[in-house]
Amino acid sequence: DAGITQSPRHKVTETGTPVTLRCHQTENHRYMYWYRQDPGHGLRLIHYSYGVKDTDKGEVSDGYSVSRSKTEDFLLTLESATSSQTSVYFCAISEIWAGNQPQHFGDGTRLSIL
Amino acid sequence: EDQVTQSPEALRLQEGESSSLNCSYTVSGLRGLFWYRQDPGKGPEFLFTLYSAGEEKEKERLKATLTKKESFLHITAPKPEDSATYLCAVRTSYDKVIFGPGTSLSVIP
Repeated sequence: DAGITQSPRHKVTETGTPVTLRCHQTENHRYMYWYRQDPGHGLRLIHYSYGVKDTDKGEVSDGYSVSRSKTEDFLLTLESATSSQTSVYFCAISEIWAGNQPQHFGDGTRLSIL
Repeated sequence: EDQVTQSPEALRLQEGESSSLNCSYTVSGLRGLFWYRQDPGKGPEFLFTLYSAGEEKEKERLKATLTKKESFLHITAPKPEDSATYLCAVRTSYDKVIFGPGTSLSVIP
């Protein structure tokens, strides 16, 4: 199994508070991704990174920011959480761009915003 | 607009009862299609990649096929351990990867 650890695995917080989710990989893969998964929707890309300090927006990036200061760590921050951001968040990694090879996923963070 | 749909949304099968899951897509040029399996509380796990119409891939009781507008995941004589959500994802000509909403499969002993 690909070495991907997401933390925390579960979090409950209140509207308006900042939240940071962490993804840690031990595979030394270049690409890292953050997705959210909601009922009735496929996985939707929030942000991705193609190297240290190199990030770009996905299709649902509003309200989210990311940072990658080391190859192994990719952080997702909700600056001021809203109830619409209640979701399950998945981190994924790949050696080359996701379209060219399958991604490996972490086990997710279940985030509830009250 | 690029879109990926999956049907049925949920499927219950008796153990040994073969069936197929469907992934349909309307995208700006297909450059690859992925199938994943997702167990409850886990992340998706890669199963197959298909690149061109007519291509088939097999793994144990699963066989994936691809046409110009859809892909099928055939499950032959399923077992309870095949219960999971099956996701498909499509790579478009713009190098986007779009996931379908998934089919939840339950195999009853």
